[in-house]
Amino acid sequence: EAQLVESGGGLVQPGGSLRLSCGASGFTFTNYWMHWVRQAPGKGLVWVSRINGDGSSTRYADSVKGRFTISRDNAKNTVYLQMNSLRAEDTAIYYCTRAEYQELHDWFDPWGQGTLVTVSS
Amino acid sequence: DIQMTQSPSSLSASVGDRVTITCRASQRISNYLNWYQQQPGKAPKLLIYAASSLHSGVPSRFSGSGSGTDFTLTISSLQPEDSATYYCQQSHGTPQDSFGQGTKVEIK
Repeated sequence: EAQLVESGGGLVQPGGSLRLSCGASGFTFTNYWMHWVRQAPGKGLVWVSRINGDGSSTRYADSVKGRFTISRDNAKNTVYLQMNSLRAEDTAIYYCTRAEYQELHDWFDPWGQGTLVTVSS
Repeated sequence: DIQMTQSPSSLSASVGDRVTITCRASQRISNYLNWYQQQPGKAPKLLIYAASSLHSGVPSRFSGSGSGTDFTLTISSLQPEDSATYYCQQSHGTPQDSFGQGTKVEIK
């Protein structure tokens, strides 16, 4: 069974940095694009970033472009989200999720349990 | 970017009721539409992919339909464990703004 486990969240001051990790198990990690999705307290789901299987292609939401960097270590079955210049509006639960593909369609499954990032002084 | 709009934002229904949630895309997306369920305090879970395909393990009371710009998620007989927020997500265009704003379903 595919599983994802996030870690690295916590309290950080505005302007600070944090690196999130997402460990994968139960599937061939290199075959899948991985995404980060966040959810501010009491709000909806917002896509943040994605990376392809070999790490050669990345994409970001406009709100985090230039501040966040997604990467992966396929030897460790782990995807990362390096978050710099953090702002109060980055406060959210950050979910790691796998993009599953079938006949040109794709969807997110499974999702990790999420890790909370709080940006506050 | 493709904008996704769900309605209603929330609803309250009784156990056994038929519940329908709609999702509208700002442009045609064929059947590139997925539905997720998020129970309180938990991570989202996939319910439906490609507009109408039921994900493995999801109860058959859940169904999806639609194509183009208008989509529907139906719960044929609402159960207590269906109390959750439901999100649609388009996978046709860029992932930015791909989720609807969510529909909260409460049990009366």
